[in-house]
Amino acid sequence: EVVMTQSPLSLPVSLGQPASISCRSSQSLVSSDGNTYLDWFHQRPGQSPRRLIHKVSDRDSGVPDRFSGSGSGTDFTLEISRVEAEDVGVYYCMQGTHWPEITFGPGTKVDIK
Amino acid sequence: QLHLQESGPGLVRPSETLSLTCSVSGGSIRSNGYHWGWFRQPPGEGLQWIGSLYYTGTPYYMPSLKSRVTISGDTSKNQFSLRLYSVTDADTAVYYCATFTDHFLRFDPWGQGTLVTVSS
Repeated sequence: EVVMTQSPLSLPVSLGQPASISCRSSQSLVSSDGNTYLDWFHQRPGQSPRRLIHKVSDRDSGVPDRFSGSGSGTDFTLEISRVEAEDVGVYYCMQGTHWPEITFGPGTKVDIK
Repeated sequence: QLHLQESGPGLVRPSETLSLTCSVSGGSIRSNGYHWGWFRQPPGEGLQWIGSLYYTGTPYYMPSLKSRVTISGDTSKNQFSLRLYSVTDADTAVYYCATFTDHFLRFDPWGQGTLVTVSS
């Protein structure tokens, strides 16, 4: 099983300030087709998850451009350039490279200082 | 626009079978390239993939749950279902259905989720 880890697990941030979340995988996420299937999800309190980014750095439709993803191999990062109040919640990374196995990181809780 | 909605009992007794259904509207579970998945989230914990049903009818399961899970589809009702056998209190969670496409090009929408509690 591919194990995903995230850090930090809790991230207090001031409004308008940047935030950065790290995600690491126990195995390379480079697929045999050359793509890297590493996604980021956001789950607001009491809501279902919503995907923000797929294939490391491609934003999903409607996702603000203050969200960006980067990384390669086993190390990945989600960055929020200027945190807004609606960004609170838990962020999860997810790998799909090793399909038919999908695994998530433990989550990083972002809240406002 | 696709819409998914979970339904099923909110309480299941230990050792019994958890059964949930996901009703799909705005699209067909036979749509080319679509996967129809089940996920869960124990209270206060993270997300876990349980398994998925490909549009062809082929199921895929998380290895650690494979021996206790069946995911099937009913094309006449445009629904897909989860059965989890021999449940314990560790199976208490919010259960979500969601859809994604080949290579995860799309990964939405998710259902609103339904809490299933395992308790005697």
